[in-house]
Amino acid sequence: DSGVTQTPKHLITATGQRVTLRCSPRSGDLSVYWYQQSLDQGLQFLIQYYNGEERAKGNILERFSAQQFPDLHSELNLSSLELGDSALYFCASSGYESSGNTIYFGEGSWLTVV
Amino acid sequence: EDQVTQSPEALRLQEGESSSLNCSYTVSGLRGLFWYRQDPGKGPEFLFTLYSAGEEKEKERLKATLTKKESFLHITAPKPEDSATYLCAVGSNSGYALNFGKGTSLLVTP
Repeated sequence: DSGVTQTPKHLITATGQRVTLRCSPRSGDLSVYWYQQSLDQGLQFLIQYYNGEERAKGNILERFSAQQFPDLHSELNLSSLELGDSALYFCASSGYESSGNTIYFGEGSWLTVV
Repeated sequence: EDQVTQSPEALRLQEGESSSLNCSYTVSGLRGLFWYRQDPGKGPEFLFTLYSAGEEKEKERLKATLTKKESFLHITAPKPEDSATYLCAVGSNSGYALNFGKGTSLLVTP
């Protein structure tokens, strides 16, 4: 158990809909990362927050957004969903801001868009 | 732009047959090289971090090594429970997040 908690574990939704994925980082960790994993693309970095502020953006679509709250939990919002958004979405956390430190992953949220 | 390439994409071993997985990287200032293990449908599980060329780390049947251009994950006398996808990632001066390779899928048969 990494200490990173993600909910929901599975969800199925229709095209055009909006969903919110939630992440609670490990106790004391200030950085939260969101990654998307699909079969053909591997793990793709979406966005990072550090202590409530956005720090880095990767391949995140404009239809997707995220935020980190004062209690350090984070939410990833996916809107106008398309079939191609079906993937595993992972949250990871770290005690540090920079990329030279280990990040710990949650178990992921399986999103299926039908 | 950072690049991480893992080979082979898939590897099948007999139980007890040792082998190595390769991770080649191109980065602008390496801050760390990370190895993770991922079981199907699960989150990546941290294995090792390496920071400088020549560094080695071991855990049970796994040993990770690092040079200036690549890292190896050596698996000695593997068991079926070592079957998983092994992911390599780099942290560099060019960004805050880890950049992952596509992984090596390892199957160890009895």
